[in-house]
Amino acid sequence: DVKVTQSSRYLVKRTGEKVFLECVQDMDHENMFWYRQDPGLGLRLIYFSYDVKMKEKGDIPEGYSVSREKKERFSLILESASTNQTSMYLCASSSINGRMEPQHFGDGTRLSIL
Amino acid sequence: AQSVSQHNHHVILSEAASLELGCNYSYGGTVNLFWYVQYPGQHLQLLLKYFSGDPLVKGIKGFEAEFIKSKFSFNLRKPSVQWSDTAEYFCAVGSGNTGKLIFGQGTTLQVKP
Repeated sequence: DVKVTQSSRYLVKRTGEKVFLECVQDMDHENMFWYRQDPGLGLRLIYFSYDVKMKEKGDIPEGYSVSREKKERFSLILESASTNQTSMYLCASSSINGRMEPQHFGDGTRLSIL
Repeated sequence: AQSVSQHNHHVILSEAASLELGCNYSYGGTVNLFWYVQYPGQHLQLLLKYFSGDPLVKGIKGFEAEFIKSKFSFNLRKPSVQWSDTAEYFCAVGSGNTGKLIFGQGTTLQVKP
């Protein structure tokens, strides 16, 4: 069974801090994704990566960056945290199999910026 | 741009009632369609998916969905809900082979015992 592990379930940081959210998957998936989940807005894609060192912007990349140095790990970075980045962050991964495969999600990190 | 719309934001049902959650998407090409469920305190998990073939798709826990291409819809149904179906439900659409999905806003289902 696919396991996507996010490093923290809950995180509290201060405005202006640099914040790192880590995600690891154990199924050798090529694709990895970062979303934020807000009530009434569903899931919105921040960044995704389809290979090591490759990244593409999603729908709301402003204020975020990502890093994928190893295939199994995808990090989301808030360069200078702001209160409007308080949210639930979800990491997901999927394989490439000649067609679109379902994404597998981690438990999420609830991030509060004070 | 592609978009996904879930019409019902919050649905309250009694146990044994029938369920239908609406999902419409805007995209003219070939699509792959998914329904995910998020139980309280748990991660999103796949309920069912449609790639091609029979437009009536059966998923886990008695759920099914019907793809109607002419209506750009992929509605989720269950004949008789249980209290344990209380959760948030997300419709998602993907196209091409990038692996990217567009999610709807989500529908919160509350089932009263």
